[in-house]
Amino acid sequence: RKEVEQDPGPFNVPEGATVAFNCTYSNSASQSFFWYRQDCRKEPKLLMSVYSSGNEDGRFTAQLNRASQYISLLIRDSKLSDSATYLCVVNKGSGDMRFGAGTRLTVKP
Amino acid sequence: GAVVSQHPSRVICKSGTSVKIECRSLDFQATTMFWYRQFPKQSLMLMATSNEGSKATYEQGVEKDKFLINHASLTLSTLTVTSAHPEDSSFYICSANRDHEQFFGPGTRLTVL
Repeated sequence: RKEVEQDPGPFNVPEGATVAFNCTYSNSASQSFFWYRQDCRKEPKLLMSVYSSGNEDGRFTAQLNRASQYISLLIRDSKLSDSATYLCVVNKGSGDMRFGAGTRLTVKP
Repeated sequence: GAVVSQHPSRVICKSGTSVKIECRSLDFQATTMFWYRQFPKQSLMLMATSNEGSKATYEQGVEKDKFLINHASLTLSTLTVTSAHPEDSSFYICSANRDHEQFFGPGTRLTVL
C-alpha cells in the first residue's frame, strides 16, 4: 500500500465549479499535512497546511481527519489559473515528506 | 524570492558520464536537505536525505554508489549521478526546511542520451 494515496484524476471542470480532492495516508504517526500545487515542469509550491480544525484560504478549504487518516481539499469557484496538479503531502517527521501521486485538475472556460 | 536554488536547471549528457547537481539554501542554513526524483506524470519520490557533515540516508532501492550525495556545508548539497544511463533521465528536485515549511528548488531536468 502506498504511504499517501490520491485519486489521480484527471478532473476536468468548467470555470466556476466546485471540486473536491481526497487523500489518505497510511502512517498514523504522521505529524503534519499539506497540499502543494505543481504546475507542469515546475517545482511544487505550498498551497496550504492542513489542520484538524479545518482551514480556509479564500476559495480553498482543507480538512484533516486523523481518525480516518484522510485529508481533503475543496476548491470553490474554480478559475482557469487553478489548472495544475495538486499534491497531498504528509510529513513523517524531521522534514521527511511523502507525496501522493497528485491529482490533475483542468479548469475549462 | 527564491529560497532554494538548483544548478543546472537542465543538462543533457551522454550515457556513461557523470553529472553533478547543486542545491543551495539562500540566506539560511539547512542541516538537512532532501533529494527527490520525478518521472513524467508521476509524483515526487524521495531518493535520499542529505545530512550536513555526515553520510546521506538513502531510501530503499536507491543505489548510494550511483547517486553520490555530499553535504559539505550548511548551504550546499550536491547530487552526483555517476555513469548516467538513459533510464536516469528524470526531473531531480531538492528541498530544505525553513521555519517548518519545506521549500523546493526549481529542479534539474536531466536527459541522458
